[in-house]
Amino acid sequence: DQQVKQNSPSLSVQEGRISILNCDYTNSMFDYFLWYKKYPAEGPTFLISISSIKDKNEDGRFTVFLNKSAKHLSLHIVPSQPGDSAVYFCAANYGGSQGNLIFGKGTKLSVKP
Amino acid sequence: DAGVIQSPRHEVTEMGQEVTLRCKPISGHNSLFWYRQTMMRGLELLIYFNNNVPIDDSGMPEDRFSAKMPNASFSTLKIQPSEPRDSAVYFCASTPGRYEQYFGPGTRLTVT
Repeated sequence: DQQVKQNSPSLSVQEGRISILNCDYTNSMFDYFLWYKKYPAEGPTFLISISSIKDKNEDGRFTVFLNKSAKHLSLHIVPSQPGDSAVYFCAANYGGSQGNLIFGKGTKLSVKP
Repeated sequence: DAGVIQSPRHEVTEMGQEVTLRCKPISGHNSLFWYRQTMMRGLELLIYFNNNVPIDDSGMPEDRFSAKMPNASFSTLKIQPSEPRDSAVYFCASTPGRYEQYFGPGTRLTVT
């Protein structure tokens, strides 16, 4: 049973526009959420995170929003650039910083020039 | 820092052979994780260690899989005997006790 779901396997966006990647989760015990970015033939790299006590975290062009009541989070990229083309994974943690991450299956973002 | 180092980057082997994947975590990181990525199941945790001690191995698919961490700078994931369904990309990740994990480049395993 998937506890972290990314229902869109792919997303295509024009350069300069906003990219919105979505993620839903089922376990209310999750207390920390992360987004990872993955290029082909490389390992995932950490992008941005948010604690369950917040509803928004911003880092440059990247903003993550958390809606706990809906068990939903989203990653906004503004403006999108061709170099943002990658697979984006949503991940959730419980058990504190010594615990493990549960990953979604990823969304492949293509940003077209 | 060199980041998490994994070897080999690619491994092709025949069914029934033993496979050993290696990982060197980032120096100073006290937690190490082994993941497997497949098209069907995505990125799934196999096992993780805190301070070289296995904490949760419930993701290890079966007894053919074993993992060790003899010291803070080295871990192995062994599959014996290997089967075609083990073909996947295996990632190692480490963390200094923060939520963010740092991933290695992965080992692409093909079992024929």
